[in-house]
Amino acid sequence: EAGVAQSPRYKIIEKRQSVAFWCNPISGHATLYWYQQILGQGPKLLIQFQNNGVVDDSQLPKDRFSAERLKGVDSTLKIQPAKLEDSAVYLCASSRVQRGGNTQYFGPGTRLTVL
Amino acid sequence: QQQVKQSPQSLIVQKGGISIINCAYENTAFDYFPWYQQFPGKGPALLIAIRPDVSEKKEGRFTISFNKSAKQFSLHIMDSQPGDSATYFCAARGSRLTFGEGTQLTVNP
Repeated sequence: EAGVAQSPRYKIIEKRQSVAFWCNPISGHATLYWYQQILGQGPKLLIQFQNNGVVDDSQLPKDRFSAERLKGVDSTLKIQPAKLEDSAVYLCASSRVQRGGNTQYFGPGTRLTVL
Repeated sequence: QQQVKQSPQSLIVQKGGISIINCAYENTAFDYFPWYQQFPGKGPALLIAIRPDVSEKKEGRFTISFNKSAKQFSLHIMDSQPGDSATYFCAARGSRLTFGEGTQLTVNP
């Protein structure tokens, strides 16, 4: 079974530029998560999708971050405009169901550096 | 309320020793407590998990001890090996999964 795929693996941009990350979850996983992991900290949930609907986006800075999951499979996370404090690893995870037995499988992440 | 506090930040043990990482939480609504292992350049991977109605769970060299009244849980790695060198995160599930700050474990040969 293929794991969670993410691209790009690394991205360097100037502040105020925009950037987008892509995630392809494990086949058959209905729930998809985007996390932000700042260096030296644990992952922090940004947004959770169940199929193509948003379940939790309470910690997503909506003035600059947006995410979509068209057709309930792939997802993209966008930052526009980026700030220095957005430098982090952006992790995508997926699970079969939202709760009970919902082991989250993480992708390798995209390391974003904002200069 | 949603915080999970983890200690120590870093830990160095000798090969064959026992590694112990501790976590504490406040929210009594948390119902699932997983531990994740993360190697450099990789995403976190589930190592072992426990529910609050169980006081201990063991899988191979890894054991979770859970103290519901103290709202604390810990990971014990027995016979630690250099290949266990990684960052370990405790987590707790309420409305979402909340992670601790992480412990960087180094096992010296």
